[in-house]
Amino acid sequence: GAVVSQHPSRVICKSGTSVKIECRSLDFQATTMFWYRQFPKKSLMLMATSNEGSKATYEQGVEKDKFLINHASLTLSTLTVTSAHPEDSSFYICSARDQRRENTEAFFGQGTRLTVV
Amino acid sequence: AQSVAQPEDQVNVAEGNPLTVKCTYSVSGNPYLFWYVQYPNRGLQFLLKYITGDNLVKGSYGFEAEFNKSQTSFHLKKPSALVSDSALYFCAVRDPQAGTALIFGKGTTLSVSS
Repeated sequence: GAVVSQHPSRVICKSGTSVKIECRSLDFQATTMFWYRQFPKKSLMLMATSNEGSKATYEQGVEKDKFLINHASLTLSTLTVTSAHPEDSSFYICSARDQRRENTEAFFGQGTRLTVV
Repeated sequence: AQSVAQPEDQVNVAEGNPLTVKCTYSVSGNPYLFWYVQYPNRGLQFLLKYITGDNLVKGSYGFEAEFNKSQTSFHLKKPSALVSDSALYFCAVRDPQAGTALIFGKGTTLSVSS
């Protein structure tokens, strides 16, 4: 079946540095990918929609300059957390769906646990 | 606006008993509905979906869910719970007319005791 791979699974960085998270669709092309943030009380918040070859669409309240999204190919989207602060520590999850098939479900990456110290 | 409600933060059941995890939704059109399961520090795994057709859908690991349009519900069920079913469960909706992103409920922790 379709698989989405996310890397790294865990990262610790110092305040003020930037961290890049990769999301790849392994056996299908994804013109659109999605980035979610999961807070400690479980809920998943949609951060942005990543569009291949064009600018990402950010949800209200998400800083586009802080969370840079690049979708340079049909199988890869990256999320860069710039000038990270401890409050950016969270679990980030990407998702993609094979949009050639209207009724298909979305697949999720393994998630990235970001800890900013 | 689309929304999904999971009214229970936690559901506790004994192994071998039936389980139900509740979900209600609000979507203007005909929704696509999904259930996902998450184990600690992992991504979400797809369990089942309702797109159209039979209101009762069967999914992975013996789970099933019933789409009830009049009650705008999509409760997840399993006839006999296993300890290994203990995890975090998410209900999600996608409005095919409004966009492609999934909107999630807050999640329900299922705890199955032996």
